Amino acid sequence: EAGVTQFPSHSVIEKGQTVTLRCDPISGHDNLYWYRRVMGKEIKFLLHFVKESKQDESGMPNNRFLAERTGGTYSTLKVQPAELEDSGVYFCASSLLGSGAGTEAFFGQGTRLTVV
Amino acid sequence: AQSVTQLGSHVSVSEGALVLLRCNYSSSVPPYLFWYVQYPNQGLQLLLKYTTGATLVKGINGFEAEFKKSETSFHLTKPSAHMSDAAEYFCAVSDGFGNEKLTFGTGTRLTIIP
Repeated sequence: EAGVTQFPSHSVIEKGQTVTLRCDPISGHDNLYWYRRVMGKEIKFLLHFVKESKQDESGMPNNRFLAERTGGTYSTLKVQPAELEDSGVYFCASSLLGSGAGTEAFFGQGTRLTVV
Repeated sequence: AQSVTQLGSHVSVSEGALVLLRCNYSSSVPPYLFWYVQYPNQGLQLLLKYTTGATLVKGINGFEAEFKKSETSFHLTKPSAHMSDAAEYFCAVSDGFGNEKLTFGTGTRLTIIP
């Protein structure tokens, strides 16, 4: 079975441009999370989807970030316009809904975004 | 709010030696605790987790961790390091109340010396 897949693996864009990251969760996983790791710092929560609905977007940095999850399947995270401080590794994770305490989240390999 | 502190951003041990990676947490509710590992060019992989019950938790690849409430710690250990253990390790906590979002520490990069 395929794991969590993220596209692209790397992206280098200029300040002011737009970038869209994509995440394909494990089939059947209704929970989908986005996280970000800025170089040398901790991995930080961005937002959580349950199916197509945003359950928690408390970690989104500002309104330059827009996340969507079409039909409760794959998700996109758009940054528009990108700023230098947006550079980092963006991780996507998915998990089963209602699986009880400490449900394991499965992570993708991440997208390394560099804004120059 | 929850938080996680990992002491030591870089740890080096000799092959065959004990591995000890430290993690302390802060949580206002009974925590669920996790250790994840990231090998080069791969995503994060769950090593082990503590939810309830036995405080000594065994994970994959010979790793284990002990939940110590009095010390608010969840240190990761392995009796004998192997070259393949070289990776970055992340401790994380969640509150588990229907929202499994994770709060991570800053990570510890483990180097194994031949």
